[in-house]
Amino acid sequence: GAGVSQSPSNKVTEKGKDVELRCDPISGHTALYWYRQSLGQGLEFLIYFQGNSAPDKSGLPSDRFSAERTGGSVSTLTIQRTQQEDSAVYLCASSLQWTGTDTQYFGPGTRLTVL
Amino acid sequence: QKEVEQNSGPLSVPEGAIASLNCTYSDRGSQSFFWYRQYSGKSPELIMFIYSNGDKEDGRFTAQLNKASQYVSLLIRDSQPSDSATYLCAVGYTGKLIFGQGTTLQVKP
Repeated sequence: GAGVSQSPSNKVTEKGKDVELRCDPISGHTALYWYRQSLGQGLEFLIYFQGNSAPDKSGLPSDRFSAERTGGSVSTLTIQRTQQEDSAVYLCASSLQWTGTDTQYFGPGTRLTVL
Repeated sequence: QKEVEQNSGPLSVPEGAIASLNCTYSDRGSQSFFWYRQYSGKSPELIMFIYSNGDKEDGRFTAQLNKASQYVSLLIRDSQPSDSATYLCAVGYTGKLIFGQGTTLQVKP
């Protein structure tokens, strides 16, 4: 079956511009996550959605970052007024639900470069 | 602050040897533990998960969990050059995974 998909695969933008990154989770998965991986670093949790519950935004690094999930499926991560330190690979993952033990499946990522 | 620590490596082993990857975590209440493999330029893919103390085997891979000592390890038997990758240890909490920095494994033919 289809896995998690993300678009675009690569995004180059100028400092100060806004960007939107899209994630399509696996069909039927109610939980969706965004992570960030900077060059040579581990994955950093950003935000988590579970069904219709309020998202856990505890990992968002600043108020320039926001995310929404429409219809319990597709999610968009928006970064406003991008900075060079925002350059990273942004990874989306989904799981059937999240009880603390569910496996998260990752998409291919969006590589963001801020010039 | 929940932390997950791994030796960044690189860990180099000859083909056919056993590779041992280790991970420690700070939160004694952690319940679920995952090993992901990440090839350069690719996204992480799940190798194994473990929830209970002891060993869990899947093919050439064995995960070991010791909650009293707060460590989890991954053994790869009969290592192959195709196993060369970064191995990420992750600890599960409600709504998120906390990842270690990853250990780079090099399997030399």
